[in-house]
Amino acid sequence: EAQVTQNPRYLITVTGKKLTVTCSQNMNHEYMSWYRQDPGLGLRQIYYSMNVEVTDKGDVPEGYKVSRKEKRNFPLILESPSPNQTSLYFCASSLFTDRRLGYTFGSGTRLTVV
Amino acid sequence: QKEVEQNSGPLSVPEGAIASLNCTYSDRGSQSFFWYRQYSGKSPELIMFIYSNGDKEDGRFTAQLNKASQYVSLLIRDSQPSDSATYLCAVVGGTYKYIFGTGTRLKVLA
Repeated sequence: EAQVTQNPRYLITVTGKKLTVTCSQNMNHEYMSWYRQDPGLGLRQIYYSMNVEVTDKGDVPEGYKVSRKEKRNFPLILESPSPNQTSLYFCASSLFTDRRLGYTFGSGTRLTVV
Repeated sequence: QKEVEQNSGPLSVPEGAIASLNCTYSDRGSQSFFWYRQYSGKSPELIMFIYSNGDKEDGRFTAQLNKASQYVSLLIRDSQPSDSATYLCAVVGGTYKYIFGTGTRLKVLA
């Protein structure tokens, strides 16, 4: 089944404790992206990657890191999480050659930083 | 001005009615337009894509695009309670950047 797999689904952590949210897609998509979703603010792009080893900042990159060493994986790293990073996070991927397909989203990760 | 604007709602319609959702965008260079449906606590799922002016129909859904007026709309015919969700408009420009609206919450009343 074509899908984007995010893990974990839920995470509660303490301020300053490094964490990684994994994202993997099995559709050979070039483009991958991370979003956070907050009430009233909608989906805001954190980082994106247009292919292996090519990443760039989105609209709200502060406090986050990403890497794209393999085409299928695009982990999101929070080196020192803070309470303002409590949010619902989505990984998404898409195919450049067929824009009609839009994004495929992962199931989301609900992160709480206390 | 926000780049993609949607009325947050909630938009309440009776079961069987037509729900009309609207979205305006600011970038005249925008090329692709999407509607996503998102149930509470779930991920967005693609329901419609449109890139040329006019109407595009898929089952009970019709997307309408007017580039001159910079708006895109979604009509849902014969609305069902299962259509109750938040509908996100997404606009893609030449740089392939997706800009999402904040969504319109639709409530279909049984």
